[in-house]
Amino acid sequence: EAAVTQSPRSKVAVTGGKVTLSCHQTNNHDYMYWYRQDTGHGLRLIHYSYVADSTEKGDIPDGYKASRPSQENFSLILELASLSQTAVYFCASSEEKNTLYFGAGTRLSVL
Amino acid sequence: AQSVTQPDARVTVSEGASLQLRCKYSYFGTPYLFWYVQYPRQGLQLLLKYYPGDPVVQGVNGFEAEFSKSNSSFHLRKASVHWSDWAVYFCAVSLSNMGYKLTFGTGTSLLVDP
Repeated sequence: EAAVTQSPRSKVAVTGGKVTLSCHQTNNHDYMYWYRQDTGHGLRLIHYSYVADSTEKGDIPDGYKASRPSQENFSLILELASLSQTAVYFCASSEEKNTLYFGAGTRLSVL
Repeated sequence: AQSVTQPDARVTVSEGASLQLRCKYSYFGTPYLFWYVQYPRQGLQLLLKYYPGDPVVQGVNGFEAEFSKSNSSFHLRKASVHWSDWAVYFCAVSLSNMGYKLTFGTGTSLLVDP
């Protein structure tokens, strides 16, 4: 049974539109993360959170916002989607040091 | 800054042959090292992890990796590859003084010839 669930699994968005990607975990983990995956770049950290109602910037936060309204939920928000944000986005959770549990990913295409 | 290099974008091996996937890291501090696997259309799954101690760590499905401080490496090995190992493999590193955030390599695609 999937412990990290992402929605939607895929999305097509228009340039300049708002996009919200959602993540829900049932692991009871304190830490949650958003990564993007691009060919040739591996995974890069966008935002992360150690506790509800608090988020931190990762390595590539520009153009993204994050929201952690509860321990279980972590959203990634693109206020003005751009072509360069076409990628696969992964949410993950962890409890101990860096054993991340990933969701299945959201494939986002911005046209 | 910490970084991870996987020099081989793609590796092809015959089923039953041995495998080594290379990973080099750079860091200042105490590294924690990981190998994750990504099967098609899925998220990443942990194969094995290294915390300071025994340099050889065992993982799932017969995988193991060896930490070498002198070579700044953390190569992944398997004695006999199975067709189901066809996937993308990511090496990752984190540091205790960097809040344990993971930095990933660019990944190595493993293709298995039947």
